[in-house]
Amino acid sequence: DVKVTQSSRYLVKRTGEKVFLECVQDMDHENMFWYRQDPGLGLRLIYFSYDVKMKEKGDIPEGYSVSREKKERFSLILESASTNQTSMYLCASSSGTVNTGELFFGEGSRLTVL
Amino acid sequence: RKEVEQDPGPFNVPEGATVAFNCTYSNSASQSFFWYRQDCRKEPKLLMSVYSSGNEDGRFTAQLNRASQYISLLIRDSKLSDSATYLCVVNGGSSNTGKLIFGQGTTLQVKP
Repeated sequence: DVKVTQSSRYLVKRTGEKVFLECVQDMDHENMFWYRQDPGLGLRLIYFSYDVKMKEKGDIPEGYSVSREKKERFSLILESASTNQTSMYLCASSSGTVNTGELFFGEGSRLTVL
Repeated sequence: RKEVEQDPGPFNVPEGATVAFNCTYSNSASQSFFWYRQDCRKEPKLLMSVYSSGNEDGRFTAQLNRASQYISLLIRDSKLSDSATYLCVVNGGSSNTGKLIFGQGTTLQVKP
């Protein structure tokens, strides 16, 4: 069965802290994505990667960075967390072309920044 | 104008009803279209792809109108278990390096 695992389901951090969100997939997928989901705004793409060490900005990359050192792992980094980054973060992976394949999502990481 | 727009609802319908959701998209170059389903406090999962000629999967029918840049999802004989948020998803353009764009979702509540 396909599996995308996000390391933390719930996190509470303070303003200015560095935050790491980890995502691992076991399907040998080329493509990995980080979204955030907010009420009324839907899912918005932060960053995506179509290969190891490759990354592309999504719609809202400001305040975030990513790392993809291994094919199965895609990390989202908040260098200095701010309250407006309180959100549900969803990792996803897919195979094939980056914008046509089925996305498999992790269960999400709910981040609260105080 | 949002790239993908949906009526957020909620749509409250009785069991057995037929309900239709609509979605409009702004990029005429979009080539791939999907409906995802998201249960409360869960991750989104693919419900079905949408093909140019329209397609059906059991009680679910998806239609695409390229001229009007419009996608629909019809659910017949609604079940309590159909209660969820339905997300319209469109690829951002014809390029293989484009991205998938999500609508904000339409919430369906099926009542006994």
